[in-house]
Amino acid sequence: GAVVSQHPSWVICKSGTSVKIECRSLDFQATTMFWYRQFPKQSLMLMATSNEGSKATYEQGVEKDKFLINHASLTLSTLTVTSAHPEDSSFYICSARLAGRSNEQFFGPGTRLTVL
Amino acid sequence: GENVEQHPSTLSVQEGDSAVIKCTYSDSASNYFPWYKQELGKRPQLIIDIRSNVGEKKDQRIAVTLNKTAKHFSLHITETQPEDSAVYFCAASAPYNTNAGKSTFGDGTTLTVKP
Repeated sequence: GAVVSQHPSWVICKSGTSVKIECRSLDFQATTMFWYRQFPKQSLMLMATSNEGSKATYEQGVEKDKFLINHASLTLSTLTVTSAHPEDSSFYICSARLAGRSNEQFFGPGTRLTVL
Repeated sequence: GENVEQHPSTLSVQEGDSAVIKCTYSDSASNYFPWYKQELGKRPQLIIDIRSNVGEKKDQRIAVTLNKTAKHFSLHITETQPEDSAVYFCAASAPYNTNAGKSTFGDGTTLTVKP
């Protein structure tokens, strides 16, 4: 149980285009999902906390108008990188927290974004 | 906010030896401390975790200790094997009802186990 999927697993796009990444909890309900970015040989940096039915909470320094997050249901959160540029190329990973009294997170497989 | 420091950044051991990775955290409200193993291009994989009401937890060759007073926790791997080679991350998590239980990660330790 507690499986999280992400789609797509990798994407290559041209500079200036927008890319949407989906994060789904397959067998549980997740009131909270987290979006991380990981550059090569670096740690996971939390970008934002996505709450079902409400606005996402962004970490300091993360542009909310560039990284649009929507958490429309208890099993789906999306991250849209708008007007992507080469410096946005990274590994984006989501995680989902079980609804209820738990802070254990389950990670998706990640999405490799390359912006040309 | 929470700040997690992890040491060492790289660790090389001989197969069969033990490996120890240490982390410190700053926020005394953090109450959940997971350890993840990440292989290149893959998702972080939870290998062991400990909650603030426990001082030590063991799962076969892996153990974690927590010192709440000193705000540090450690990962111990015994009888290391080449397949243990990976990047290991510690994390400190807020309570589920505080900041949505978000986690702050250490910078990672690259463990290499030489055959």
